[in-house]
Amino acid sequence: KAGVTQTPRYLIKTRGQQVTLSCSPISGHRSVSWYQQTPGQGLQFLFEYFSETQRNKGNFPGRFSGRQFSNSRSEMNVSTLELGDSALYLCASSGDYFSDTQYFGPGTRLTVL
Amino acid sequence: GENVGLHLPTLSVQEGDNSIINCAYSNSASDYFIWYKQESGKGPQFIIDIRSNMDKRQGQRVTVLLNKTVKHLSLQIAATQPGDSAVYFCAENYNNDMRFGAGTRLTVKP
Repeated sequence: KAGVTQTPRYLIKTRGQQVTLSCSPISGHRSVSWYQQTPGQGLQFLFEYFSETQRNKGNFPGRFSGRQFSNSRSEMNVSTLELGDSALYLCASSGDYFSDTQYFGPGTRLTVL
Repeated sequence: GENVGLHLPTLSVQEGDNSIINCAYSNSASDYFIWYKQESGKGPQFIIDIRSNMDKRQGQRVTVLLNKTVKHLSLQIAATQPGDSAVYFCAENYNNDMRFGAGTRLTVKP
């Protein structure tokens, strides 16, 4: 099976802009989770989608949003970018349960200037 | 706040030696634990997991030990190889709340 894929791999934006990141889960996986990884905060959970519905949510501001399509592909959007949003954004997919083993994609490296 | 923590941020071992990476978790109700390996420029890679009804689980060259009494998790890597050099994260899950540790950087010296 192909692994989790994320596009784009690298992105440079300026403050105030918005960005959309894409994730395609492993075939058959219906749960998609998003994480932000920074050197200072480590890996932090953003949200999880299952069957096109947000099922779990971390402690991030409303500028961070996401959605999931009927084919389980997911997108994450960050509006009004801030310098502190520079991070590696990771997507992970798992089976029907969030607590199932999560398989991560390579991530999208976002740099906000 | 409740966070999964790591005792050592860095660990350096000689090739061929065994490595032990430790993790302290804070939620005694956590029922599922995972170890991930993250190499530079890559996403975390699942290594091994363990559920709270077990104390020990073995994989290929890796063993995870769970001590619920002291809320401690460890990852043992046998015969450490240069390819094992990476950052290792532990994660705990309770009621769909997944928390990750800060990570330990393992360096294997030839």
